[in-house]
Amino acid sequence: GDSVTQMEGPVTLSEEAFLTINCTYTATGYPSLFWYVQYPGEGLQLLLKATKADDKGSNKGFEATYRKETTSFHLEKGSVQVSDSAVYFCALGNNAGNMLTFGGGTRLMVKP
Amino acid sequence: DAGITQSPRHKVTETGTPVTLRCHQTENHRYMYWYRQDPGHGLRLIHYSYGVKDTDKGEVSDGYSVSRSKTEDFLLTLESATSSQTSVYFCAISAGGTITEAFFGQGTRLTVV
Repeated sequence: GDSVTQMEGPVTLSEEAFLTINCTYTATGYPSLFWYVQYPGEGLQLLLKATKADDKGSNKGFEATYRKETTSFHLEKGSVQVSDSAVYFCALGNNAGNMLTFGGGTRLMVKP
Repeated sequence: DAGITQSPRHKVTETGTPVTLRCHQTENHRYMYWYRQDPGHGLRLIHYSYGVKDTDKGEVSDGYSVSRSKTEDFLLTLESATSSQTSVYFCAISAGGTITEAFFGQGTRLTVV
């Protein structure tokens, strides 16, 4: 079945550092890929998405490129801020468009 | 923000008692989902619904039942709560069809003692 693997955290960075959170997936067909963010005490919010190979999703300075050849969707940001501290989830949407499979989440802590 | 309301937001219950969590949406989305979030496991799907009275099991459905009698409401019931069901429960909604994102509620923290 479908599965998503993302790097374990926590990831601790200083403000303005470069961020990479790795995500790889296993799926049949042509899934859509998502990154969600969860701030403390809140539900998940969609951060960005990509629906086909080589698509780049971007939002709020975050980017991720759908790499079918390496089955990856790594999240990057050039300069993190303290306000980016949260848990980040990589997710895969099935071909039918009715199911999301999540990775285990990666906690990011950004220090001033 | 998508109109999703979960109730209650927090609940403490005793082992063996029935518990019902409610998810209410104002978006008229077709799909509704119940997930549980546990450390080290990310989010795991319990049950989902693809229309009124149409539901299906997810990855971790044992010990849970659901009902959807109206488009806007999706209920999750723990018939006899166990300590292993202590978790944070999230409801999500999606318009479905071609790949669309899901929108999440604020979560319900359930503690079974």
